[in-house]
Amino acid sequence: GEDVEQSLFLSVREGDSSVINCTYTDSSSTYLYWYKQEPGAGLQLLTYIFSNMDMKQDQRLTVLLNKKDKHLSLRIADTQTGDSAIYFCAESIYNQGGKLIFGQGTELSVKP
Amino acid sequence: DVKVTQSSRYLVKRTGEKVFLECVQDMDHENMFWYRQDPGLGLRLIYFSYDVKMKEKGDIPEGYSVSREKKERFSLILESASTNQTSMYLCASRPPSSYNEQFFGPGTRLTVL
Repeated sequence: GEDVEQSLFLSVREGDSSVINCTYTDSSSTYLYWYKQEPGAGLQLLTYIFSNMDMKQDQRLTVLLNKKDKHLSLRIADTQTGDSAIYFCAESIYNQGGKLIFGQGTELSVKP
Repeated sequence: DVKVTQSSRYLVKRTGEKVFLECVQDMDHENMFWYRQDPGLGLRLIYFSYDVKMKEKGDIPEGYSVSREKKERFSLILESASTNQTSMYLCASRPPSSYNEQFFGPGTRLTVL
């Protein structure tokens, strides 16, 4: 079945780069996503990548997709304390009517 | 701006009570979803709906039911609440976009005593 895995915690210092990793099992993924959840809030879409791309850059965010290894990463450059949140990786499976499969979420802690 | 609202941010109920969680979206989206979020488990899909009066089971439907009488409103029902249903419940809706983004409400933290 479909499965998405992430490590649970990451701690970085302010100004450093953060890299959050994700692996998935279903090769029929159409899109892969990174969602951010701030404390006490719902999820907000940060960025997404189509499965036929290998990289996408959006300001401080870089998404890398390795389809062969089924590995997705999110790099946040110049990490700020406001980036502290839980980051969820998710995949959308072809022909599943918009259903998303989420990872466990990685809690990013940014220390001053 | 898309707005997805949930009726309560915090709810405390007793074991055996019937619980209604309401979700409303204001963008005429056809697809709506209910998830529960637990630490270390991420989001798990309970039920989703493609259209009014239509529903599909997600990955963990046991102990839950849903109602979609109007397009903008999707309700999650716990017929007889149990302590293992203590969780954060998140509602989402999806427009017919090509990249399949889901818009989330703020969540309802339900505690069953």
